[in-house]
Amino acid sequence: AQRVTQPEKLLSVFKGAPVELKCNYSYSGSPELFWYVQYSRQRLQLLLRHISRESIKGFTADLNKGETSFHLKKPFAQEEDSAMYYCALSGQAAGNKLTFGGGTRVLVKP
Amino acid sequence: ETGVTQSPTHLIKTRGQQVTLRCSSQSGHNTVSWYQQALGQGPQFIFQYYREEENGRGNFPPRFSGLQFPNYSSELNVNALELDDSALYLCAISLIQNYGYTFGSGTRLTVV
Repeated sequence: AQRVTQPEKLLSVFKGAPVELKCNYSYSGSPELFWYVQYSRQRLQLLLRHISRESIKGFTADLNKGETSFHLKKPFAQEEDSAMYYCALSGQAAGNKLTFGGGTRVLVKP
Repeated sequence: ETGVTQSPTHLIKTRGQQVTLRCSSQSGHNTVSWYQQALGQGPQFIFQYYREEENGRGNFPPRFSGLQFPNYSSELNVNALELDDSALYLCAISLIQNYGYTFGSGTRLTVV
């Protein structure tokens, strides 16, 4: 069965500091990995997908199949990055449903 | 941007009652999924519909049921409500599988 683990419930960093959100997964096959973000009083929205290998709002994430990880990183955190972040996976073996981690709350202090 | 509208936004029901939640989109899509998000947790997959047929279900009892209509709107029905059904219910649509889902703002259901 597929599983997504986000070990940190809360990450508190100062503005301008690097931030890394950890995500580990278990899945049989080739997963599709995503990061979703939920800002205060807004809907859950897609931040980035591993297959597009893109950088969104300064965030990047690299899929490491050996370590089964998909950590999200940003070199210089901004106050507007304060939000709830969810790692999620999908794939054919999972019926293309999204399996989410428990989420990490990021608080960027001025 | 593809908008996803869920109604109602908030709902209070009594244990044992039945509830219907609705989801609609401004554009066509072939896949709609429903998720339950309890307080402090990530969304949990309930089921998914593809071209009006259920094509995936999570670990939820049969009293959770759904429909997808030809106009791509969707419903989530929950019978015999229990207190633990209190949660935020999210609808998500996808135009291309594994491209990523667009979520609605959710319906906050409180069962008392």
